[in-house]
Amino acid sequence: DGGITQSPKYLFRKEGQNVTLSCEQNLNHDAMYWYRQDPGQGLRLIYYSQIVNDFQKGDIAEGYSVSREKKESFPLTVTSAQKNPTAFYLCASGSGGYTFGSGTRLTVV
Amino acid sequence: RKEVEQDPGPFNVPEGATVAFNCTYSNSASQSFFWYRQDCRKEPKLLMSVYSSGNEDGRFTAQLNRASQYISLLIRDSKLSDSATYLCVGLTGTASKLTFGTGTRLQVTL
Repeated sequence: DGGITQSPKYLFRKEGQNVTLSCEQNLNHDAMYWYRQDPGQGLRLIYYSQIVNDFQKGDIAEGYSVSREKKESFPLTVTSAQKNPTAFYLCASGSGGYTFGSGTRLTVV
Repeated sequence: RKEVEQDPGPFNVPEGATVAFNCTYSNSASQSFFWYRQDCRKEPKLLMSVYSSGNEDGRFTAQLNRASQYISLLIRDSKLSDSATYLCVGLTGTASKLTFGTGTRLQVTL
């Protein structure tokens, strides 16, 4: 079945550590997106990519980095520069009606 | 001002009731709109697109009023399984970026 797979489901990060969240899709979508969701807030766009080897900053890109070396994959790195990384991270692909992955819950310990 | 604004609720309604959610948007350049449903601690899932002519999918009816920059979702004959957060979403720009409202929480009770 086609879909988006995010891993891991839960991730714990120590202060000062970089972590990478995986996002893989087999829907043959060109566009992929990373969102962050905090309690009581809507989804906020971190980065997006419309084509391989190209990506753009979203509204809250500071402290994050991405790559898009393959159409299927759009990993997100949460760097130590991100001061408040605890959140629910969602990857999506498509245009218009997105398909979302099941998300990664990142907690700083 | 947020681009997409929703009443956060919660809306507590009995099973079988009709409930309506409203949403306003500030960016008149927004091209398309959607309603997503999000269950607790899960990812959002597309519920339906919203058209100016209005569209219906079973018990769900969505409507867009571009003049008033207003979007609505009507749920008839509410079921317990409709309990979720409903996200109003606008599409803007050539990059197909979606802007999400904070969501309206619905709780359907017996």
